[in-house]
Amino acid sequence: DAEITQSPRHKITETGRQVTLACHQTWNHNNMFWYRQDLGHGLRLIHYSYGVHDTNKGEVSDGYSVSRSNTEDLPLTLESAASSQTSVYFCASSETTISSEAFFGQGTRLTVV
Amino acid sequence: AQTVTQSQPEMSVQEAETVTLSCTYDTSESNYYLFWYKQPPSRQMILVIRQEAYKQQNATENRFSVNFQKAAKSFSLKISDSQLGDTAMYFCAFLEAGSYQLTFGKGTKLSVIP
Repeated sequence: DAEITQSPRHKITETGRQVTLACHQTWNHNNMFWYRQDLGHGLRLIHYSYGVHDTNKGEVSDGYSVSRSNTEDLPLTLESAASSQTSVYFCASSETTISSEAFFGQGTRLTVV
Repeated sequence: AQTVTQSQPEMSVQEAETVTLSCTYDTSESNYYLFWYKQPPSRQMILVIRQEAYKQQNATENRFSVNFQKAAKSFSLKISDSQLGDTAMYFCAFLEAGSYQLTFGKGTKLSVIP
């Protein structure tokens, strides 16, 4: 069965360190997204990609970067982790069709200490 | 930019009863889609129901149904015969046709009480 997986599921890191969260999907979807979930804010879009070598900034992109070198993967990098980036991160993917359902990974809980 | 508002941060309902979760949105677009996602304690995001704006008929999926009022920009979720497994965070989401990016509300935490 096709799926979308995130790793790690949990991570603790120190302020100032570079961190990369992995997202891998086997749906062969062109669209991939990163969201962060914080209490009282719902899910907010960080970055998104509509295909290989395409990346775009979302609502809360400061301090984050992504790259898309193949269809399956969209890693999210925190260049210099800050305590404000403690959150739960979700990766999602969808087809390039109108109203396509988004499929979500199981999330990564990141704690920056 | 679109905004999605869920005015009820928390709600509770007795098992087997019916509960309605509210969602309003703001957009100038005429062609869009609306979704309700469920997030149980496992953290997995699960699509509950979807509504196309051009369809007047309200979507229904088993015990879940929506009341879509396009003019009022309202999209509420009704859960009938509530079950303990319905305990979760529920998110309302908006998708502009052709954009592929979901805009989420802040969520409503629903507790089903035995």
